[in-house]
Amino acid sequence: IAGITQAPTSQILAAGRRMTLRCTQDMRHNAMYWYRQDLGLGLRLIHYSNTAGTTGKGEVPDGYSVSRANTDDFPLTLASAVPSQTSVYFCASSHGGAGELFFGEGSRLTVL
Amino acid sequence: GQNIDQPTEMTATEGAIVQINCTYQTSGFNGLFWYQQHAGEAPTFLSYNVLDGLEEKGRFSSFLSRSKGYSYLLLKELQMKDSASYLCAVRDSNYQLIWGAGTKLIIKP
Repeated sequence: IAGITQAPTSQILAAGRRMTLRCTQDMRHNAMYWYRQDLGLGLRLIHYSNTAGTTGKGEVPDGYSVSRANTDDFPLTLASAVPSQTSVYFCASSHGGAGELFFGEGSRLTVL
Repeated sequence: GQNIDQPTEMTATEGAIVQINCTYQTSGFNGLFWYQQHAGEAPTFLSYNVLDGLEEKGRFSSFLSRSKGYSYLLLKELQMKDSASYLCAVRDSNYQLIWGAGTKLIIKP
């Protein structure tokens, strides 16, 4: 693994189903983030974690949850998917809270 | 509210120079970032400005005026591979990044 790895890269999901997007980094970065990217809108922060064991809500947290059990992993869970959660999801990390972000390749999620 | 404005789309010719503007209104300022994003790919870091002035990095330069809430990204000697979206982002007083919607740059031969 080099950098940030996201899985799956693409998924079609029925509304009401539970889904977990996985994110793993090997750069030992303290801070990790989940964004969604929708056409015509800027990246919007869903949840973040400044260090292992802590998480915080971003701009659009409703319907999503995260955990940060260790430095490397930061999964994003949709408890009961809805069509408005159709989007491209990017996981990112940074060394501390003020550095540049490094992004994973993205997970394209379609909720029908 | 917090707001980042940048043009939706720009077109330029291979070999030419293009300037992509970004204006911002945020709660505090702790730096401005430019990222490049090719279609279907992840954003990648281009530049960072925290003080007024010009930062040059090869064919790319970024300028910041904090008093005007303004930045631009200057791309010289355009190549076809520069066709991408360019994202402006400002770190606010809470150290959260506020993102613009991005400028899609189309390079024509």
